[in-house]
Amino acid sequence: DSGVTQTPKHLITATGQRVTLRCSPRSGDLSVYWYQQSLDQGLQFLIQYYNGEERAKGNILERFSAQQFPDLHSELNLSSLELGDSALYFCASSVASGGAGELFFGEGSRLTVL
Amino acid sequence: AQSVTQPDIHITVSEGASLELRCNYSYGATPYLFWYVQSPGQGLQLLLKYFSGDTLVQGIKGFEAEFKRSQSSFNLRKPSVHWSDAAEYFCAVGRNRDDKIIFGKGTRLHILP
Repeated sequence: DSGVTQTPKHLITATGQRVTLRCSPRSGDLSVYWYQQSLDQGLQFLIQYYNGEERAKGNILERFSAQQFPDLHSELNLSSLELGDSALYFCASSVASGGAGELFFGEGSRLTVL
Repeated sequence: AQSVTQPDIHITVSEGASLELRCNYSYGATPYLFWYVQSPGQGLQLLLKYFSGDTLVQGIKGFEAEFKRSQSSFNLRKPSVHWSDAAEYFCAVGRNRDDKIIFGKGTRLHILP
């Protein structure tokens, strides 16, 4: 158990809909990262927050947004969903502002868009 | 921008045989290098990391990796694999301790009994 909690574990929805994925980092970790894992693209970095502020942005679509709340949990919002958004979405946390220490990963949220 | 290449999508080895998974990175300076493992249905777990110093790094589960600057490589090795090592392995790189981590596309390891 990494200490990172992601909900829901599985989510099935239709194209055009909006979903919210939630992540609770390990106790004491200030950084939260979101990654998207798909068969063709591998593990893609989406966005990072550190202590409530956006720290780095990767290949995140404009239809996607995220935030980190004062209690340090984070939410990834995916809107106007398309079939291609079907993927496993991972949240990871680390104590430092960067990932060079160690990233602790949750078990992921599997999103299926029909 | 930094990048990571894992040239082997799948690797199959027999139980008890040695293993080497390849990783090449693209970055001008000495990057921060990592190997993570993902077991089926699980998140990723850190096996080992290299920042500086001794270029041969020991990790958990009997794995080691060697940083070779001249070849821009950070290959993962294990002398004798166990069936429980069947998983997907990811090499990753960061420019510095404050940088995001970029992952390779992974190598899926299959173990023959």
